[in-house]
Amino acid sequence: DAGVTQSPTHLIKTRGQQVTLRCSPKSGHDTVSWYQQALGQGPQFIFQYYEEEERQRGNFPDRFSGHQFPNYSSELNVNALLLGDSALYLCASSLVQGETQYFGPGTRLLVL
Amino acid sequence: GNSVTQMEGPVTLSEEAFLTINCTYTATGYPSLFWYVQYPGEGLQLLLKATKADDKGSNKGFEATYRKETTSFHLEKGSVQVSDSAVYFCALNHAGNMLTFGGGTRLMVKP
Repeated sequence: DAGVTQSPTHLIKTRGQQVTLRCSPKSGHDTVSWYQQALGQGPQFIFQYYEEEERQRGNFPDRFSGHQFPNYSSELNVNALLLGDSALYLCASSLVQGETQYFGPGTRLLVL
Repeated sequence: GNSVTQMEGPVTLSEEAFLTINCTYTATGYPSLFWYVQYPGEGLQLLLKATKADDKGSNKGFEATYRKETTSFHLEKGSVQVSDSAVYFCALNHAGNMLTFGGGTRLMVKP
């Protein structure tokens, strides 16, 4: 049973560029959440997707957007990258009625 | 709003020592509580959870009890191993949506 997978594992971009990160949820899960983890800090909630709709959003600007596909996989898009967007981006999957989220290995983004 | 506070690290212990990592929370209602562990260069792994007051979560020798009266969920292990060296995160989930994390506590276990 495959767990949560994310791609790519590492990414280097320059300021002002755009980036797309991808996530495939654990088999049987229908809900995907995205988190940003800055170095040395705890993860911060970005948003959650269910039934291809954004269900809840954390305190992140509109530069952060997402999408969920019919197969439940998800993308996180970040526009107009800033140096402060450098972080580990974590995807977590769950059941919509469940409270336990399972995390992928993350994508490490470096913005130069 | 919801928040989680963890003891600052690093916590440095010798192998076979007793471990306690403190975690307290602020939340409305009755959140579910979690401990996640993050090994170097990896994502977060669920370690244990508790969904209601007085529940005890346990896994791999780690335990934590949901104490509503003190709004705490302290992580304990009777005898740590070098392989337990990692960063530990306490988190709460209210209404089944977002997880709110503490800042993390780094544990270093020396042989």
